[in-house]
Amino acid sequence: AQSVSQHNHHVILSEAASLELGCNYSYGGTVNLFWYVQYPGQHLQLLLKYFSGDPLVKGIKGFEAEFIKSKFSFNLRKPSVQWSDTAEYFCAVSGGYQKVTFGIGTKLQVIP
Amino acid sequence: DVKVTQSSRYLVKRTGEKVFLECVQDMDHENMFWYRQDPGLGLRLIYFSYDVKMKEKGDIPEGYSVSREKKERFSLILESASTNQTSMYLCASSPTFGTANEKLFFGSGTQLSVL
Repeated sequence: AQSVSQHNHHVILSEAASLELGCNYSYGGTVNLFWYVQYPGQHLQLLLKYFSGDPLVKGIKGFEAEFIKSKFSFNLRKPSVQWSDTAEYFCAVSGGYQKVTFGIGTKLQVIP
Repeated sequence: DVKVTQSSRYLVKRTGEKVFLECVQDMDHENMFWYRQDPGLGLRLIYFSYDVKMKEKGDIPEGYSVSREKKERFSLILESASTNQTSMYLCASSPTFGTANEKLFFGSGTQLSVL
């Protein structure tokens, strides 16, 4: 069975601080990896995804994530956060069986 | 833009009632999903469907069933609602898995309260 573990459940940062959110997954085969974001009052939307190729993927709004296969990790990063990045962030994995499994999410609060 | 529409934004039901949550997508996607979202638990997969009349159990199917009679519509059914099914229910659709197009498109959610 596939599973996802997110290390930080609630993160508070000041504007311009750097962000790194941890995500580890477990699955024995080939995976696709995702970060989804839910801004306050909005529905979930895709931030970025890894399908194959370059393990460093770039998404919207300056976010990036690195897939490290040996560590089963897909950490999300942003060099300088803004107040508008306040949201809940979910890591997700799809392996076999055509199903997508999510982590429990990380609430990010950015203080102006 | 893909649209995933959930029939109700808020729903209040009584314990023991049969509840139907409807979801429609307009992009001819093969795959459709039902998740529930609870604080501190993230999104948990209830059921998914990869084709008409096909359904697969997710991680927490107990107390739920689904119906997919048409490609664009995926219904979640609570056979006898209980208070522990009070939650935000999210429907999603996705094109074919295992391709670079794989991506979930979510609806706005239905906040169900069971009293």
